[in-house]
Amino acid sequence: NAGVMQNPRHLVRRRGQEARLRCSPVKGHSHVYWYRQLPEEGLKFMVYLQKENIIDESGMPKERFSAEFPKEGPSILRIQQVVRGDSAAYFCASSSGQRANYGYTFGSGTRLTVV
Amino acid sequence: AQTVTQSQPEMSVQEAETVTLSCTYDTSENNYYLFWYKQPPSRQMILVIRQEAYKQQNATENRFSVNFQKAAKSFSLKISDSQLGDTAMYFCAFMKHGDGTASKLTFGTGTRLQVTL
Repeated sequence: NAGVMQNPRHLVRRRGQEARLRCSPVKGHSHVYWYRQLPEEGLKFMVYLQKENIIDESGMPKERFSAEFPKEGPSILRIQQVVRGDSAAYFCASSSGQRANYGYTFGSGTRLTVV
Repeated sequence: AQTVTQSQPEMSVQEAETVTLSCTYDTSENNYYLFWYKQPPSRQMILVIRQEAYKQQNATENRFSVNFQKAAKSFSLKISDSQLGDTAMYFCAFMKHGDGTASKLTFGTGTRLQVTL
């Protein structure tokens, strides 16, 4: 029973490049959340998606960041024209909607380094 | 908006001893959920324990228990019989009650716990 799978585990990008982070939720989970963790800080909510819909993107920067969760395939967090300040660990979590308040299942994160 | 505060950046405890990690939060909600997550060096976020605000009884999971004081908006984690494997960052988190729909977590800044021999 696989958990939340995130890849890649580590990603290095040069300033100005695009970063694409993938998240496959737990089988049967239709709700996906993305969080960002800056060094020595807690996780900060970015976006919440259900299949093909963005439910809450209140934590997402208005520019350069986008997320999708298509009908088929993993959820993707895309960061265009990366800058050094985007360097962080990005965590994906999933839940079945009714069970979210029991706590999500988190992936192991993608550590993005912008050089 | 909700805020979660963890005032202890670092804590240390000897193996087999007991340690308490503090967490306070601020909210105008009456129904909500509180969580403690553990993040070991592997970076995996692991759910330790969960509390429903409308339940007065403190949650317990084996060696882990909470002291939930709703009026004081306090939610501390007690780890009994500490083990080396408990060494990790511990995050307190808050979730609004969402009428059955999913909701986002608000995290504190974490407490780094070191268990020593």
